Amino acid sequence: GENVEQHPSTLSVQEGDSAVIKCTYSDSASNYFPWYKQELGKRPQLIIDIRSNVGEKKDQRIAVTLNKTAKHFSLHITETQPEDSAVYFCAASRDYGGATNKLIFGTGTLLAVQP
Amino acid sequence: SAVISQKPSRDICQRGTSLTIQCQVDSQVTMMFWYRQQPGQSLTLIATANQGSEATYESGFVIDKFPISRPNLTFSTLTVSNMSPEDSSIYLCSVVPASSQAYGYTFGSGTRLTVV
Repeated sequence: GENVEQHPSTLSVQEGDSAVIKCTYSDSASNYFPWYKQELGKRPQLIIDIRSNVGEKKDQRIAVTLNKTAKHFSLHITETQPEDSAVYFCAASRDYGGATNKLIFGTGTLLAVQP
Repeated sequence: SAVISQKPSRDICQRGTSLTIQCQVDSQVTMMFWYRQQPGQSLTLIATANQGSEATYESGFVIDKFPISRPNLTFSTLTVSNMSPEDSSIYLCSVVPASSQAYGYTFGSGTRLTVV
């Protein structure tokens, strides 16, 4: 079945440094790749997403890259701040908006930004 | 994005009983999903709630244990039946807005269930 692997499981960086989280998916039909941030006790919040017709997308300090051939996608956070500390989940689905668009989540990365 | 009201936010239940969780959305949505998130873990899809037809369950989840209703395009319920302590978890609903231009999948605030 579909599977999304995510690495690392924990990541500690100094404030101002960059953080990179990587995911690999198994379903070659996947074409939508969102990233969620979940703070303790709160619901997951979508922070950025990418569709398979683009290779990179950027939103201020956050960027996502996609390599469809290798079935890899990555989240890049630059100039990290303490408020970036949270658990980050990648996910993948096929056919966004269609009948088979369930999201399959990665295992999560606990990011700690040290002041 | 769609606004989701999920109830209850938390509950403590006796083993062997059932709990029904509700999700109300402020706009019509095509797809609603129910997830389970065990402490410190990722989100696992339980089922996809289809309007006008039976829910589609993922491997390891069955209708007798997790019956789902989807009476219209703005509302769904998930029941956790005959509960055991292993069912203690956070349950979340998620929706995909009807517009293909809308911003992604949105989650409800979750229901924290403790079974004693």
